[in-house]
Amino acid sequence: EADIYQTPRYLVIGTGKKITLECSQTMGHDKMYWYQQDPGMELHLIHYSYGVNSTEKGDLSSESTVSRIRTEHFPLTLESARPSHTSQYLCASSGTHQPQHFGDGTRLSIL
Amino acid sequence: RKEVEQDPGPFNVPEGATVAFNCTYSNSASQSFFWYRQDCRKEPKLLMSVYSSGNEDGRFTAQLNRASQYISLLIRDSKLSDSATYLCVVHASGGSYIPTFGRGTSLIVHP
Repeated sequence: EADIYQTPRYLVIGTGKKITLECSQTMGHDKMYWYQQDPGMELHLIHYSYGVNSTEKGDLSSESTVSRIRTEHFPLTLESARPSHTSQYLCASSGTHQPQHFGDGTRLSIL
Repeated sequence: RKEVEQDPGPFNVPEGATVAFNCTYSNSASQSFFWYRQDCRKEPKLLMSVYSSGNEDGRFTAQLNRASQYISLLIRDSKLSDSATYLCVVHASGGSYIPTFGRGTSLIVHP
């Protein structure tokens, strides 16, 4: 099994709160990604990183931000959560042209 | 036109049937190809890579047709546990190295 971890697995929180979703991998992968996926729908790339101090926005506009201070860590932050942010967030990592390994995901519900 | 296209299905087949999915891609510079499996409300998991000469893993066979720009996945002797969504993933050479996901093909295997 791939060594990529996301916490928390589930989060229910009120509107306006600041949220950080954690993602860590122990495979030394340079590339890391955040996806958003609603039930039964396709994956949408919201952020990615080529390596330390590199972050880029993905195809889907998102109000979240990310940072990559260490190779193994790629947290995603929502400064002020809204009900529209309710979704599943999936983190992945990979080597160049190698398949991605996904974490278990964080299921986020904003009340 | 989407870069990677899949028939969303669902494909509804009886146990023991053989089923095939195709996935077309638009970027002729695409270099790496993968099939993933995603169960309901779970993360995608790598099923198999797709090699130029075609490859087989048990009941699963993947093939690549570069001339027509598609990849295929064949499942023989379908099991109930094969019910899932199958995602096609394509990596382009050079550039951003960002993998492109198809929206997935849903397979339902019934008794």
